[in-house]
Amino acid sequence: DTGVSQNPRHKITKRGQNVTFRCDPISEHNRLYWYRQTLGQGPEFLTYFQNEAQLEKSRLLSDRFSAERPKGSFSTLEIQRTEQGDSAMYLCASSLKGGTGGNTIYFGEGSWLTVV
Amino acid sequence: AQSVTQLDSQVPVFEEAPVELRCNYSSSVSVYLFWYVQYPNQGLQLLLKYLSGSTLVKGINGFEAEFNKSQTSFHLRKPSVHISDTAEYFCAVSALGGGATNKLIFGTGTLLAVQP
Repeated sequence: DTGVSQNPRHKITKRGQNVTFRCDPISEHNRLYWYRQTLGQGPEFLTYFQNEAQLEKSRLLSDRFSAERPKGSFSTLEIQRTEQGDSAMYLCASSLKGGTGGNTIYFGEGSWLTVV
Repeated sequence: AQSVTQLDSQVPVFEEAPVELRCNYSSSVSVYLFWYVQYPNQGLQLLLKYLSGSTLVKGINGFEAEFNKSQTSFHLRKPSVHISDTAEYFCAVSALGGGATNKLIFGTGTLLAVQP
């Protein structure tokens, strides 16, 4: 399977605990994105990497959120001191960089987080 | 900044009937336009995209969309729907340009509910 892989697919955690999600992009893709999607809403952009460099972060990404992409391969998204408002699906996506853009962005199946 | 409006949160339609899902966008710069489909508990799959050229774009599963620059619209159509087309459909834009992140800005989605 050469698609974007995310794990865990589901995570239930108690408020105040830390959680970490992992994303493995399509192997030759140098761009990686994280999005958050809540029920009834479209995905919202969180952050973006080009290779190992984190080039853009949304205002949605509070200080409790941190994302990394060591060596420009897989990425992790950690949420510290989770709150009930963090309950959502976290989507990872990847694409190639090139030209003037418009390259297809491929999404993983998402990681559901429920904070109780 | 860009924004996307999908006015219809839900569109019920009978099997084999035609359907149109509406999308309007706002942007101060030129954009690329996309339609993604999301089946229950899954990630997003690209249906089609408009980068340049012909304003009528054909995608997978018999869907097509037409870019109308003057009306800033990118409506999705299918001449005859199937039960299996039941899903959430998201319209998205990304800014054009080599220096852009190509991040996608999504609308809130339209649930296409196909009834037998």
